[in-house]
Amino acid sequence: KQEVTQIPAALSVPEGENLVLNCSFTDSAIYNLQWFRQDPGKGLTSLLLIQSSQREQTSGRLNASLDKSSGRSTLYIAASQPGDSATYLCAVSGNYGQNFVFGPGTRLSVLP
Amino acid sequence: DGGITQSPKYLFRKEGQNVTLSCEQNLNHDAMYWYRQDPGQGLRLIYYSQIVNDFQKGDIAEGYSVSREKKESFPLTVTSAQKNPTAFYLCASTPGIEAFFGQGTRLTVV
Repeated sequence: KQEVTQIPAALSVPEGENLVLNCSFTDSAIYNLQWFRQDPGKGLTSLLLIQSSQREQTSGRLNASLDKSSGRSTLYIAASQPGDSATYLCAVSGNYGQNFVFGPGTRLSVLP
Repeated sequence: DGGITQSPKYLFRKEGQNVTLSCEQNLNHDAMYWYRQDPGQGLRLIYYSQIVNDFQKGDIAEGYSVSREKKESFPLTVTSAQKNPTAFYLCASTPGIEAFFGQGTRLTVV
């Protein structure tokens, strides 16, 4: 059974720092990996999608990498801003029937 | 505007009452999902549907029911059999690769 973990569970950094969020999965036979942002009381907003044949994706200050063989993905946020404060979740899809398995998330606080 | 609409945003349920959460999408996606989110926990799958008139139980289906009579709609009913329904409920859809989410419904038992 696919399991997804995220480290750290929470992170607090001063504004301007570069930071890395980690996502690990136990079954490397995935179709793709998706990173989401969730603001308090809101739904999930898709940030980046990495398909299984890709190694990384970039969008603005965000860069996500995928290493299927080791079961890991990292989300790199450059020059963090207070507006980046949110919970970040990763999810993998594969041949699991229900398609998506989510990690518990990393709660990020960027202090001004 | 294309997207997923969940309603209502807030819902209050009395003990022993059934309530229905609405999820509508105009993205023409075949697959739709319902997830439950509790504080400090990840998303847990309740039900999913890959096609109209077909749906499958997820990890925590007990006390919930769904229907999929139209491609655009996937309502979730929280029955009186669900003993701890207070949670944040999220609906999602996908064309097969990328998942898209609604804004959620917060259900509270009063």
